[in-house]
Amino acid sequence: AQKITQTQPGMFVQEKEAVTLDCTYDTSDPSYGLFWYKQPSSGEMIFLIYQGSYDQQNATEGRYSLNFQKARKSANLVISASQLGDSAMYFCAMREGIGNTGFQKLVFGTGTRLLVSP
Amino acid sequence: DGGITQSPKYLFRKEGQNVTLSCEQNLNHDAMYWYRQDPGQGLRLIYYSQIVNDFQKGDIAEGYSVSREKKESFPLTVTSAQKNPTAFYLCASSTVTNPVGYGYTFGSGTRLTVV
Repeated sequence: AQKITQTQPGMFVQEKEAVTLDCTYDTSDPSYGLFWYKQPSSGEMIFLIYQGSYDQQNATEGRYSLNFQKARKSANLVISASQLGDSAMYFCAMREGIGNTGFQKLVFGTGTRLLVSP
Repeated sequence: DGGITQSPKYLFRKEGQNVTLSCEQNLNHDAMYWYRQDPGQGLRLIYYSQIVNDFQKGDIAEGYSVSREKKESFPLTVTSAQKNPTAFYLCASSTVTNPVGYGYTFGSGTRLTVV
C-alpha cells in the first residue's frame, strides 16, 4: 500500500507568489515523522523541513512551512514568496517509529515538479 | 566539511558487466542507505546498513549487492542480474544518536546508463 501520496506531478507558480505542494500519508504508528526534500536538477536531495507526529505546532523554516493536519493525514508544504531558484522536484517522506536503536527508514512519495516563472 | 561523496557522477555499463558505485561519508553516521530513482517513481530502497558488517535488503534488492566493511563506506554493486539498471542512484546516511528530526543526509548521486 502506498504510504506517501503526492498527487501533483507538476505545479506552476509565478515568482513572489505562494504555492502549496500536497502530501498525504498512511500509517498506524502513533509515532512518526514527516520530511520534505528539494531536488534541483543537479540531483542532490536537500532537506527542507521536518514535522513530528507529536509536535503541537506546524513546522516553519524560513519561507517553508508545513501545514500538518493529523486527522486528515496530510502534511502539505507551503512555500511563500516563490523564487526562481525554487524550481525543482519536491519529495515528501515519512519515517515510522524509531525504536530504541535510533535507526530510521524513510519512505518517499513520487514527487512534485515545481516550476517558478518570472 | 562533513558530507557524503558519491562517485562517479556518471557511469556507463555494458550489458553483462558488474559495476560498483562508491559512497563515502565523514559524518560519523552509523546508518547508510542506497536508493534508486526512476522518473515518476520516487525513491525506492535497495539496501540499508545499520552498523558495520551488517546490512539488510530493501524493497528492490534483486540484482544488487553491498558491503559494509568500514563505517565510512557503503559501496553498491550493480550485477549483470539487474535487468534494468539504468537509473539515478542516491546514497544516504543518518545518525542513530538523537536522530529525531534529522532524517537523512544525501550524496549527490550517480547516474548509471546501460549502453
